[in-house]
Amino acid sequence: EVQLVQSGAEVKKPGESLKISCKGSGYSFTSYWIGWVRQMPGKGLEWMGIIYPGDSDTRYSPSFQGQVTISADKSISTAYLQWSSLKASDTAMYYCVRRVGATKTPFDWGQGTLVTVSS
Amino acid sequence: QSALTQPASVSGSPGQSITISCTGTSSDVGSYNLVSWYQQHPGKAPKLMIYEGSKRPSGVSNRFSGSKSGNTASLTISGLQAEDEADYYCCSYAGSSTFEGYVFGTGTKVTVL
Repeated sequence: EVQLVQSGAEVKKPGESLKISCKGSGYSFTSYWIGWVRQMPGKGLEWMGIIYPGDSDTRYSPSFQGQVTISADKSISTAYLQWSSLKASDTAMYYCVRRVGATKTPFDWGQGTLVTVSS
Repeated sequence: QSALTQPASVSGSPGQSITISCTGTSSDVGSYNLVSWYQQHPGKAPKLMIYEGSKRPSGVSNRFSGSKSGNTASLTISGLQAEDEADYYCCSYAGSSTFEGYVFGTGTKVTVL
């Protein structure tokens, strides 16, 4: 069974750094792209970017380029989303999602990580 | 990449059919047969209901069907049930020479009367 298990909720202050994780299991982690999706409170889904763990090829949505860093450690089947300096506007639920091959479909979703940024 | 346009809300009585539209552009919905639909219940992660426009993943009820015409995709839920009450999002692949990613719809709240 394919599973994407994300790290737990975080409460941070503006200006702090943060790295959240997404651990894949039940499939070949290096063979599937992993994407990240933001959902701000009461709002819709937004595509942030995607990484291919096999070679760490990473593509960002223009809206998120320079705002976050996506990475992966294939030795532990884990993808990451990180911020160097959080803002209150980063408060949101963040989902990782596995893209399935030729369908180019964001198929399997993690349970989400709630990030709250407040002074 | 602008969000795909969906109606804010759609409602129906149990047993009825409803259709949710998803309008994009020739750069996303119109260019690819790669529209997917997601169901999201409150406090839960999105769940894939339709992919490649009309295909259902294993385990998804055949009451859910998808189609596309031009720049508009549609999701139809037939035999509406109380458990179908949720938010629904469409999503289209929107790859180009400068963008490798997706655009989501604005979301539709489905209410079962």
